[in-house]
Order: sequence, then C-alpha cells, then structure tokens
Amino acid sequence: DQQVKQNSPSLSVQEGRISILNCDYTNSMFDYFLWYKKYPAEGPTFLISISSIKDKNEDGRFTVFLNKSAKHLSLHIVPSQPGDSAVYFCAAKGQGGSEKLVFGKGTKLTVNP
Amino acid sequence: ETGVTQTPRHLVMGMTNKKSLKCEQHLGHNAMYWYKQSAKKPLELMFVYNFKEQTENNSVPSRFSPECPNSSHLFLHLHTLQPEDSALYLCASSPAEWGGLTDTQYFGPGTRLTVL
Repeated sequence: DQQVKQNSPSLSVQEGRISILNCDYTNSMFDYFLWYKKYPAEGPTFLISISSIKDKNEDGRFTVFLNKSAKHLSLHIVPSQPGDSAVYFCAAKGQGGSEKLVFGKGTKLTVNP
Repeated sequence: ETGVTQTPRHLVMGMTNKKSLKCEQHLGHNAMYWYKQSAKKPLELMFVYNFKEQTENNSVPSRFSPECPNSSHLFLHLHTLQPEDSALYLCASSPAEWGGLTDTQYFGPGTRLTVL
C-alpha cells in the first residue's frame, strides 16, 4: 500500500510557464516532506523541503505548498526552464518518530523550449 | 572526490555470479543507506547503517548482504540473484539516522544492475 502517491507519471510544460507537481500521502504521522530531482544517470538530489508546521516554503523559483487537511503537497516551479526537465520525487518522513524516507514513484517533467 | 560515489555504474551478472557494489561518501556523514529502484516503483529502502551498525533490514532477501566497514564505505554483496533483482541500486548518506527530521539524505548516482 503506497503511502506517498504521485499520480501523474509525466508532465509537459512550455518554457517560462509554471510547472505544478502534485503529491498525496496517506499517513497522517508524516511531518516532514521533501522533493528530490533526478536527472538520467544521476542520483536524486535534494531540492526543497517543508515541515508540517508550515504551509509554504519558497526557494528561488521553487515553492512547496502543504495542505495537511487534504494530505496534499505540491511543488511549483516558475518560470520553468528546459534545465528543469527531470524526474521529481516526493518523499515524506516522520511516521511514528521514524526518520526513514518514504518515496513516491516520481513525475517526469519535460520543459519544452 | 566529493559527495557520494558508487562503483560500478553498470553491472551485468548471471544468476550464479557473486559481485559487490561499492559506495563511498566524502561528506563526513555517519548514516548510510541502500535503496532499490525498480521500473515504475518508488525507491525502496533496503538497509540502513548508523555509525557502522546495521539498524534497518527492510525484509531484504539474504542473497543481498550489506557490509559497512566504516562510516565512509558501504558495500552490497550479491550472490545467486534472480532476474527480478535487476534494478537501479542507490546509496545515500546523511549526518546520522536520528540526527533529526531535517537531516537530508544525499544520493550517489546508482549502479544499474542487470541479472541475466
């Protein structure tokens, strides 16, 4: 049973527009959420995170929003750039005090020039 | 070298072979992890080592045998694997397993394993 779900396997966006990647989770014990980005032939790299005590965290072009009541988070990239084309993984941790990461399956973002 | 390195990057092996994957981190971290990524599945945690001690074995078959001789090195010994074990094997490190929720895991590039 998947505790972290990324229901869109792929997303295609035009350069300069906003990319919105979504993630849903089922375990209400999760209290820390992360986004990782993965290019082909490389390992995932940490992008941005958010604690459950916040509903928004911003870092440059990247903003993560958390809606605890809906158990939903989203990553906004604006403006999108071709170099943002990668697979984006949502991850969560904190269930029952555990710091183990639980990952979603990933969403492949393609930003077209 | 900086970050987390993994060797080999690609490995093809038969079901009767014995091989090892190597991971090295240059970040001064104390926790190291093995993950498996199969096609169309989420990353699955396999093993966790914290200060060289194994603290997690996520019901991994015994044909996968981890070894952590020190906080900088992690191995995954493979023997009598099955074709369904073909996957991307990722190593990660973090300051400590219980260093706090905000500790970030840093990943290596992975070893793409194919079992024939």
